[in-house]
Amino acid sequence: DAEITQSPRHKITETGRQVTLACHQTWNHNNMFWYRQDLGHGLRLIHYSYGVQDTNKGEVSDGYSVSRSNTEDLPLTLESAASSQTSVYFCASSESGVGGYTFGSGTRLTVV
Amino acid sequence: KNQVEQSPQSLIILEGKNCTLQCNYTVSPFSNLRWYKQDTGRGPVSLTIMTFSENTKSNGRYTATLDADTKQSSLHITASQLSDSASYICVVSPSYNTDKLIFGTGTRLQVFP
Repeated sequence: DAEITQSPRHKITETGRQVTLACHQTWNHNNMFWYRQDLGHGLRLIHYSYGVQDTNKGEVSDGYSVSRSNTEDLPLTLESAASSQTSVYFCASSESGVGGYTFGSGTRLTVV
Repeated sequence: KNQVEQSPQSLIILEGKNCTLQCNYTVSPFSNLRWYKQDTGRGPVSLTIMTFSENTKSNGRYTATLDADTKQSSLHITASQLSDSASYICVVSPSYNTDKLIFGTGTRLQVFP
């Protein structure tokens, strides 16, 4: 069965370190997204991609970057981790239009 | 500013009872509205998707309604089960970009035996 997987599930890192969160999907979806989820906020969009070599900034992109070298993967990199980036991160993929929007199980990141 | 607001923030009910969760939105122009269920420690899972022209959509014991004129939606859960304990998130897409999802902060539902 097609799926979307995130790794690691949990990560603790130190302030200032570079961290990369992985997202891999086998739905063959063109669109992929990264969100963060914090108490008191709805999921907020960090970066998204509509296809290979395409990347776009979302509403909370500062301090994050992504790259899309193939259809299946959209890794999220925190260039220099900050305590404000402690959060739960969700990857999602979709076909364009209504329907078919699938989320991964999330990565809980703690920056100490 | 486009917003999606949900009420109540949290809700406790007994197993077997019905409940209704509310969602008000100001997103305009509007394309579709989704309800997601998010279990603790998991990603959101889609329950229903409605376009602006649909009034109701069911998925088993879950029934979503939509009033595009008043910009309100509700999610009704019938004969609740312990497994319904989760957060329920209302999500709206504007018509100018159907891939842009605007999330509510969710309603935390707890079902007790």
